[in-house]
This record gives sequence, structure tokens and C-alpha cells, in this order.
Amino acid sequence: QLQLQESGPGLVKPSETLSLTCTVSGGSISSSSYYWGWIRQPPGKGLEWSGSIHYSGRTYYTPSLKSRVSISVDTAKNQFSLQLTSVTASDTAVYYCAMTHYDPFAFDIWGQGTMVTVSS
Amino acid sequence: QSVLTQPPSASGTPGQRVTISCSGGSSNIGSNTVNWYHQLPGSAPQLLIYSTNRRPSGVPDRFSGSRSGTSASLVIRGLQSEDEAEYYCAAWDDSLNGYVFGSGTKVTVL
Repeated sequence: QLQLQESGPGLVKPSETLSLTCTVSGGSISSSSYYWGWIRQPPGKGLEWSGSIHYSGRTYYTPSLKSRVSISVDTAKNQFSLQLTSVTASDTAVYYCAMTHYDPFAFDIWGQGTMVTVSS
Repeated sequence: QSVLTQPPSASGTPGQRVTISCSGGSSNIGSNTVNWYHQLPGSAPQLLIYSTNRRPSGVPDRFSGSRSGTSASLVIRGLQSEDEAEYYCAAWDDSLNGYVFGSGTKVTVL
């Protein structure tokens, strides 16, 4: 059974870079069938897709973050990562990593989420 | 403000049928499949419906999805107390070139 676990700092200063890692267990990140994504949820608000990646390296990013976001895969560590540059308070959110079995954007397995606060 | 509009709330008594709507446009629901998620308080979202009307393994057949034009619907039949959660629709948007979530609907079991 595939499981995902987010890790990274819970506090990031404004203008700095937010970096999160999602570790995949119970399966290989290199499967051609899967897409891996990051979704965030600001406190008390709805879900926002940040971006997705296929193990081949093809990436998809939400237009509102496209200039600041980067997602990459490390097949050796069975991990994928999110980097968000020049963060502001509006980037404060619970960040979830997730994967898809059924189609590229139907996220059926999720990590538990990690809260990231942007504050000085 | 999301391009996929959902009613903020819906409710029903145990055993009732509840329908949640998701209104979009030609660039999202009108031309792409719809996914539905629910999120219990303090938990990660869970996929309920993918490709508009298909259920992942393990999701009860009480949940069903459909689409008509630029709107989609999620139906919960035989409402149960554990269905009390936030429900989100989602779809790819060709104009935005991104995956968008609906605004969310809070379902309350009376």
C-alpha cells in the first residue's frame, strides 16, 4: 500500500524559499502510471492545486504560482519535492503531497499534510 | 474566487439523499472530466469520484457523480453521520491551464 509523508520546516521567513519533500513508501515513484502533486489549503479556506509532476519529469504548475514554484523527483530517494520562492504570508497553508492512480489529476492517495507558516 | 462554484452548505437527515452541485464553464466541466473529494475536519481530502462518474475502490456506491453541460453533481444516497464533511469538485481548466478546485460545500447531517 503506497503511503506518502511530507517533511520540511514549519516556519519560513518572508521572501525566503519554502522547500518540502514527500517521501513515498510501499511503491516506486518511477511508475509510469502515476502523477505526483502538491495541494495546499490556507487556514480555514479551500483546496488549491500547486502543481504536479510525472516521473518522466513533465511538470504542470498552477498559473498563479508558475513563476515561483518548482517540483522535482528524486528517484534514488523515492521522493518528490516542492520549492516555492519569495514566499509571503499568503503562502501560509497546510501543504499536502498526493498521487494519482486513475488519471493525471484525480489524487487518490494523500499525505497527512504539513502546516507551513510564513512569518518573520 | 474559484471558477467552479458550489453551494456553501447542504444538509439532510440520516437516510436522505443529498445532491451537491458544481457549476463551471466550457473550459473546465464542459470539456474535461470532474473529480470529487471529501474532507473530514482535521484530515486530508479523500477522492470520492474520478472521471466524472467513476468510484475508486473502497468508495461506497452511495456516492455517485454526473455531469450535464457545464455543471456536475455529486449525489449521496442514504446519508450517514460519517458523511458530515466538506466536499470539493475539481477539474482541469483549459483556459487557465491548471487544475481547479471548487469552493467547497459543507454537508451537515441533521
